Parts: sequence; structure tokens; C-alpha cells
Amino acid sequence: GNSVTQMEGPVTLSEEAFLTINCTYTATGYPSLFWYVQYPGEGLQLLLKATKADDKGSNKGFEATYRKETTSFHLEKGSVQVSDSAVYFCALRSSGGSNYKLTFGKGTLLTVNP
Amino acid sequence: GAVVSQHPSRVICKSGTSVKIECRSLDFQATTMFWYRQFPKQSLMLMATSNEGSKATYEQGVEKDKFLINHASLTLSTLTVTSAHPEDSSFYICSARFPGLAGGGGPDTQYFGPGTRLTVL
Repeated sequence: GNSVTQMEGPVTLSEEAFLTINCTYTATGYPSLFWYVQYPGEGLQLLLKATKADDKGSNKGFEATYRKETTSFHLEKGSVQVSDSAVYFCALRSSGGSNYKLTFGKGTLLTVNP
Repeated sequence: GAVVSQHPSRVICKSGTSVKIECRSLDFQATTMFWYRQFPKQSLMLMATSNEGSKATYEQGVEKDKFLINHASLTLSTLTVTSAHPEDSSFYICSARFPGLAGGGGPDTQYFGPGTRLTVL
């Protein structure tokens, strides 16, 4: 079955530091990959996505590249801000069929200090 | 981007009562919506898939008679927690499958509601 493995947090950084949150997956075929962000007390917001190998998703300074050879979709940001403090979820959706279910990783809590 | 709302955002109820949570897609029609439960500091657990005009599909281990789902229209799905108990206290989140518009998200994009915090006393 499908699975997503994220680096476990919490991750604590100083403002303007470089961020990497690792995500690897197991799935058959060519899944679509997503990063969602959850701010305290809120639901999930789609941060970025990639639907095929070598695609790069980007948004708000965050980037992630779909690497099929390493089955990875690591999230990166060159300079984090305090406002980036949140929980980040990596997710995948299987390709084909009518199953639109998302499989989530366990989430990584990021805290950015001033 | 696509907007999904949930109501209420917070609810406190007494043990044994029923609580209804609404999930609405505000600017698109969603034939498929999902209901998740999130425990503190944990990931989302998919409870069920809600399809407009048909019965919901529940995940293994989720009680159908306790968590009633009704997808009444293309923009509304409701989750009713029947005879709620303290162990049902949780953060419930819905999502809606975005069907895709020109220049918008693809058909495999889900947009999430802000969540409902349920506390059962």
C-alpha cells in the first residue's frame, strides 16, 4: 500500500535559516505529491504540489522537487520567517482510477525563533 | 484558490448528545468530500469518503452508525457525531476534491476546511 515517511520533528530554527524537511514515499505507479501546511488551530492549506517526475512545486519561497529515482519530495526554503512556524504534512495521491484519497505523513512541527 | 468552510469552528456538548458539522465548498462543486479526524500532535486519519448522491465509504474501524455522513448537495456534506462521548473529542477536518478549472488546480487536488474542534464533556 501507499505510505509517506517524513522526518520527525520538532524542527527549531532561527529566522533566515535554511529549511529542509525530508519526505519519502512508497507507492505504485506515478502518484501526485503534495505539501500541506497547518497553522496553529487551523485546517490544512495546500502549500505546493507536483504531479510528475522532475516537476518542481513552489509557493511562498518553499520548493520541492518530485524525485522518482529516490522516491522523495523534500521541502526546502532558503530563509525561514517566524510566520512559517507551523506543522508541515507531506502527502501523496495514487495515480489513476477514481480513488482520490490522500495518504499523509505524520507531520513535522517547525518553530522559527526571531 | 478554492475555498472550503466548516461550521461550527468550535462546539462543546454534553455526553450523549449529537453534534452536526457542516462542510461547504464555497466556489466550486464537489462531488467528493472527505472527513478526517486529527488527534493532538498527530497526522490526519481519514474517516470516510463522502460522495454526492450515494452512501459514504467508511474506512476500516470507523463506526458508520456513530459518524453519520450525508452529502446532500454538490456543495454540502455533513458529519453527525451521534451519542457523543468524551473519547470523541477531537479536531474534525473536511476536504473537498477540486474538480479542476482552466488555470486552476488539477483534479487530484483537495482543499481543506479550517476544522471543527469538538469537546464532549
